[in-house]
Amino acid sequence: DADVTQTPRNRITKTGKRIMLECSQTKGHDRMYWYRQDPGLGLQLIYYSFDVKDINKGEISDGYSVSRQAQAKFSLSLESAIPNQTALYFCATSEGVGGEETQYFGPGTRLLVL
Amino acid sequence: AQKITQTQPGMFVQEKEAVTLDCTYDTSDQSYGLFWYKQPSSGEMIFLIYQGSYDEQNATEGRYSLNFQKARKSANLVISASQLGDSAMYFCAMRDGGGADGLTFGKGTHLIIQP
Repeated sequence: DADVTQTPRNRITKTGKRIMLECSQTKGHDRMYWYRQDPGLGLQLIYYSFDVKDINKGEISDGYSVSRQAQAKFSLSLESAIPNQTALYFCATSEGVGGEETQYFGPGTRLLVL
Repeated sequence: AQKITQTQPGMFVQEKEAVTLDCTYDTSDQSYGLFWYKQPSSGEMIFLIYQGSYDEQNATEGRYSLNFQKARKSANLVISASQLGDSAMYFCAMRDGGGADGLTFGKGTHLIIQP
């Protein structure tokens, strides 16, 4: 089984709708991240969380919110989706302070906002 | 200012040849980490190799090695004996001590291995 899972894998929604993307991990990592990737570009950080009580904005957090329900679960919400939020969304995890720095990514969620 | 620069948008390489993918970075921190990820056409992000700024030796992982030149702020990925399955997008990324904890990515290099 995959260590980092994302649901749904694909989603089509309409402008103005609220949607939630979910991420779960079995790696036991403290840190979790949400990124988006636009066609032809690298990934950009949306939000990150050091633990359940610690949520931080990344470079492109406007229009998004997150919830860290448990160490293993980190959800990303689009309160009112707009077409330029069409992208590939990745969740990632890494160990905490003093641990391995590598971030391990989920398989991604392809989101299309019409 | 762009923190990660990948100057090769696309590369064509013959199978079994070695490949060097360029990456330069910009940071004022002394402690930072450099990563390479592979993204095949299926879309997932696959971790390849990591280099810490204090590591004295270049990182190696199987056919992958990272040519780390700290003074030049470069972290090139070398793939030895390329295979058809190496065809993918390759991203260089950095975590530095300032700002957010996440990674800063370059725009990637599209590598195509030809038989």
